[in-house]
This record gives sequence, structure tokens and C-alpha cells, in this order.
Amino acid sequence: EVQLVESGGGLVQPGGSRRLSCAGSGFSFYSFSMSWIRQAPGKGLEWVSYISYNSRTIYYADSVKGRFTISRDNARNSLFLQMNSLKDEDTAVYYCVRKDSGDYYFQFWGQGALVTVSS
Amino acid sequence: DIQMTQSPSTLSASVGDRVTITCRTSRSISNWLAWYQQKPGKAPKVLIHKASNLESGVPSRFSGSGSGTEFTLTISSLQPDDFATYYCQQYDNYWTFGQGTKVEIK
Repeated sequence: EVQLVESGGGLVQPGGSRRLSCAGSGFSFYSFSMSWIRQAPGKGLEWVSYISYNSRTIYYADSVKGRFTISRDNARNSLFLQMNSLKDEDTAVYYCVRKDSGDYYFQFWGQGALVTVSS
Repeated sequence: DIQMTQSPSTLSASVGDRVTITCRTSRSISNWLAWYQQKPGKAPKVLIHKASNLESGVPSRFSGSGSGTEFTLTISSLQPDDFATYYCQQYDNYWTFGQGTKVEIK
């Protein structure tokens, strides 16, 4: 069974930093591209960042470019999101997601980690 | 960037009703479209991919159609478990979600 478990959420002050982690299990983590998607309270879904299986291809949404860094450690079956210069509007539940084996839709989702940016 | 327009934003329906949700894109995305269902406090769950392919384990009352710039999600006979929010998502050029459609009990 595919499982994705996020950790690292919490309260952070504006301008601060936070690092999210995602532990993958039940599949060959090193074979799959991964993404982060977020959802602000009461709002819709927003794709944040993508990393290919070998870390050679990385994309960011314009809203986080230059502030967030995605990375992965295939030896530890782990995905990360380093978030710097956090703003109020970054407050959201952050989901770790895995794409389908062939297609680029999001087949498996973690339970989410809430990041609250507030003073 | 590809813009998504999903309608309606809210839909009131009764158990047994046929329900249709529409998603339009700002340019053609061929059939690179997925539909997700989300219940309060839970992660989204994929229902349909490649516009009309039913994800494994999803009930057959869900169906998707369309290509190019106009797509629909249809629930043939609404069940109590189907009251939720539905999102379309394009994956032709990066990833963009529609604004969501909340299906409420009438």
C-alpha cells in the first residue's frame, strides 16, 4: 500500500523558515516524480513544486519561486520542502503527492501538514 | 499559464439526481485532465484521469468526457457518499486546478 506521511508543519512567524518532510513507503520511491500541493484554509488547491525521480528536473509555481526549495533523498525515501521568507499567504495545508506511473496526474496524496504563518 | 474555469461553484442536489460539473480551459489541453473529489479535512482523491479514464476502485456512476478546452464530470445517480467538493486539474502544461464545485444536499 502506497503511503505518504508529511511532517514538519507548525506555526512560524512572517519572514521565518520551515522545512517539511514526506516519508514514502509501499512503492519504489526512487522511481517516481513527486510534488507538493497546498490548500489555504477554505480555499482551493494550488500546485507548489515538482521534482523528477532523479532530481534533475525541478519546477516551482511563480508564487513560491526564489523562496521555496524542493529536494529528495532516495536512499531515505524522503521528499522535502524548504520554505524561506514565509508570508501570511503561505498559510496552508501542504500535501506531498505522487504522480501516476505513466501519466502526470496526482495519484496518491499524503494526509497533509498545516503550516501557519502568523505573528 | 493555463486558466481553469469550473462551474458551478456550488450545486444543490438530491440523492439519485444526475449531476454534471463543467471545466473549461483557456487553451487546448488535448485530454490531459483529471477530476478529484475532496471531503472536509481529507486529502483529495482522484476519480478520473486523461479526461475519461476511471481510476481503479472508483464507482462506475462517475464518468468524464471532453477534450480540447471543455470537459465534464457526470455522476449518474448521486449517492450520500458523493456530497463533497470536486476539482478539475490540467496537466498539459505544469499543473493547474479549477476553483472547485461543492455538491450540497438539497
